[in-house]
Amino acid sequence: GQNIDQPTEMTATEGAIVQINCTYQTSGFNGLFWYQQHAGEAPTFLSYNVLDGLEEKGRFSSFLSRSKGYSYLLLKELQMKDSASYLCAVKGGDYKLSFGAGTTVTVRA
Amino acid sequence: TAGITQAPTSQILAAGRSMTLRCTQDMRHNAMYWYRQDLGLGLRLIHYSNTAGTTGKGEVPDGYSVSRANTDDFPLTLASAVPSQTSVYFCASSRDGGEGANVLTFGAGSRLTVL
Repeated sequence: GQNIDQPTEMTATEGAIVQINCTYQTSGFNGLFWYQQHAGEAPTFLSYNVLDGLEEKGRFSSFLSRSKGYSYLLLKELQMKDSASYLCAVKGGDYKLSFGAGTTVTVRA
Repeated sequence: TAGITQAPTSQILAAGRSMTLRCTQDMRHNAMYWYRQDLGLGLRLIHYSNTAGTTGKGEVPDGYSVSRANTDDFPLTLASAVPSQTSVYFCASSRDGGEGANVLTFGAGSRLTVL
């Protein structure tokens, strides 16, 4: 089975940095994804890591350590529109995505 | 705009009734998926299809069936709905279902309430 853990909620101030951690134990590994989901909307793709290291995309960065079963999503220069749920998902040995329960980030002015 | 269309957006259903959630994509993606999303549990895979004519069971398939008669359509049927099937259902697609990034594109979701 798949076990993916991430914090339930985080709060940060506009302009600040927030790091969302994700740990996983899965049957096989074929990549880790982060999705963003605004309330009442569909998830949208943010990032993909399959090799160890940091992937940077503008204000968002994602890090992966396969040996530790660990990833984080870093959100810099937070804006109000970044208030959303962030979903960590792992593609296992069967090539199917398993999702964590999501981390709700609230950005305060 | 290319993407995934789900219908209905919202539905209230009496327990024991049947219901089909519709999903259509126009991106010519080979793989399609049905997930349900429940508070505190995240997205869970119900059924998937890697290509037209084939389907497979996900993590929580009981009580649901799917078909994939062509590339574009992937309906999800509840033969006899029960209250535990109250959820938000997301249809998704990806170029392929194997290795590689194969990013999922999601539909807007169908909110189903079973009373």
